[in-house]
Order: sequence, then structure tokens, then C-alpha cells
Amino acid sequence: AQTVTQSQPEMSVQEAETVTLSCTYDTSESDYYLFWYKQPPSRQMILVIRQEAYKQQNATENRFSVNFQKAAKSFSLKISDSQLGDAAMYFCAYRKVDDKIIFGKGTRLHILP
Amino acid sequence: GAVVSQHPSRVICKSGTSVKIECRSLDFQATTMFWYRQFPKQSLMLMATSNEGSKATYEQGVEKDKFLINHASLTLSTLTVTSAHPEDSSFYICSANGVSGGSYNEQFFGPGTRLTVL
Repeated sequence: AQTVTQSQPEMSVQEAETVTLSCTYDTSESDYYLFWYKQPPSRQMILVIRQEAYKQQNATENRFSVNFQKAAKSFSLKISDSQLGDAAMYFCAYRKVDDKIIFGKGTRLHILP
Repeated sequence: GAVVSQHPSRVICKSGTSVKIECRSLDFQATTMFWYRQFPKQSLMLMATSNEGSKATYEQGVEKDKFLINHASLTLSTLTVTSAHPEDSSFYICSANGVSGGSYNEQFFGPGTRLTVL
């Protein structure tokens, strides 16, 4: 069975600094998707970034980038130039093609002004 | 585009009553919708997968007679919590599969419904 592990329940970062959130996963599939979702206090789930497993190039979305290590089954999220609005719960997630999403337990990110 | 709505956003009910939560895809058709439950400070737990025109597939440990799911159209799925009890109090989130940027089948999330059972 596929699992997603986030080992950091909480993280803090100074405003304008860079922070990296860790995620590992377990699967026997070769084709799948990985995601980072943000859940702010409103609790609306927001897709931050998506990575297709067949792509070697790491996905990037503005200040957000990932370090995808397929062999190590590692998928970390780097947030550059952290802003107060980045404070939220961040969930790492895995999805087999056309299947359900499996979420990690989440990392609560605090931004220190 | 790709907006999913939920109604109501929050509901309070008495123990023993039934509550219906609606999930709608506003600008796209969704053959598959998902229902999640989230307890405070915890992750999303998938309850069931809802396919239009067929019976829902429930995850292990989810009581199908208690959490009734109906996906009668390509834009609407409903979750009915029957004979609700205080332990059913939670945040319920739906998501819907829709095509995003090419052929990728993305899940779009609704804003959630907070259920409180007194």
C-alpha cells in the first residue's frame, strides 16, 4: 500500500528566508503524481505544486520548488522569500494515475515577522 | 474555472437527526467525486469515492449505511450523515475530478462543511 510520510509536524521560518519541508513516500508504481497542498486557516485546499513521476526535471511555481528524488522516494518543498501569507498547513500527497489522493499528516508552517 | 462548491458551509444539528451536504462542480462535469473527513489538526481522510450513476466505493472502516453518498448527476454529489452523533462532528471536504491543462485529471477541492452535532 502507498504511504506518505511528513516527519516535521511544525516548522518556523523568518519572513523573507527560505524553508524546506520534507516528504517521503512509498510505492511500487513507476507512474504517479506527487503534490504539495496548502491549507490556510480558511481550510480551503490549495494546490501549490505538482510533479509527474516520469519527469526528471523538478517542478517550479514562482517561489515554490521541489526536490524530487525518485530513487530515494523523496519529495521536498522549498519556499523561497517566505511571506506571512505562506503560513498554513502543508500536505504532501501521492496519487497513482486516475486514482485517489493519499495525504501525509501535514506540516504546520509558521512565518516569523 | 474549475470551481467546486459545498453547501452548507457549516451546520449544527441535534443528535439523532440526518444532515445532507451537497458538493457541486460549477463549471465542469465530474464523473468522479471524493468525500474526505478532517478532524482538528489532522490530515484529510478519504471516506469514499463517488462515481456518477453508480454506487460509491467506501474506504475500509467507513460505515456505508451511516454516510450515504449519492452522485445523481455529473455536477452534484451529496453526502448524508444519518442519525448523526457528536462523534460525527468534523470538517467534511469534497473534491471533484476535472481535466486541467491537457490530459491531466486534477482534483479540485470544495471549501468544506463544518458539521457540529449537539
